[in-house]
Amino acid sequence: GAGVSQSPRYKVAKRGQDVALRCDPISGHVSLFWYQQALGQGPEFLTYFQNEAQLDKSGLPSDRFFAERPEGSVSTLKIQRTQQEDSAVYLCASSLVGQKDTQYFGPGTRLTVL
Amino acid sequence: DAKTTQPNSMESNEEEPVHLPCNHSTISGTDYIHWYRQLPSQGPEYVIHGLTSNVNNRMASLAIAEDRKSSTLILHRATLRDAAVYYCILRESGNTPLVFGKGTRLSVIA
Repeated sequence: GAGVSQSPRYKVAKRGQDVALRCDPISGHVSLFWYQQALGQGPEFLTYFQNEAQLDKSGLPSDRFFAERPEGSVSTLKIQRTQQEDSAVYLCASSLVGQKDTQYFGPGTRLTVL
Repeated sequence: DAKTTQPNSMESNEEEPVHLPCNHSTISGTDYIHWYRQLPSQGPEYVIHGLTSNVNNRMASLAIAEDRKSSTLILHRATLRDAAVYYCILRESGNTPLVFGKGTRLSVIA
């Protein structure tokens, strides 16, 4: 079946530009997570949705980062006024609800800010 | 968050078994032990998880120490496709985010 998809796969932005990254989770998955992965590091949590509700946004690094999931399916991570330190791979994962439930990751969007 | 400790890197010969260790001495009674791996240029993928008993699936086996303060991921016959970064993660109660460390980079030699 279809897995988690993300678009675009690669994005190059000039410093100061706004970007929007899209995540299409697995159909029926209630939970959706965004992670940021810097080069050579493990992924770090950004934010979490259960259906359309954003239950945890404690990992968002600044108020330039904004995420939404208005209909409880597709999610968009928006970064305003991008900075060079925002360069990273942004990963989306979806899962059913539960402590044991596997998170299924998309391939990520590699963002490069020049 | 409960922490895990893994070696930075390990190397294995192809078709040999690989034992990837993980220490988690501060694990709580309700923490599940999850393993994910990340192949080059891909998102992480689930490998296996367990609570107290050893677990087997088609990808790997998970051996959990009796005191639960350590665990070992076992790949029975490493292939070149198993070269990846392996993450040992403790999952807190509820639908919580995964907390990744730096993991163990496994190299497989033909």
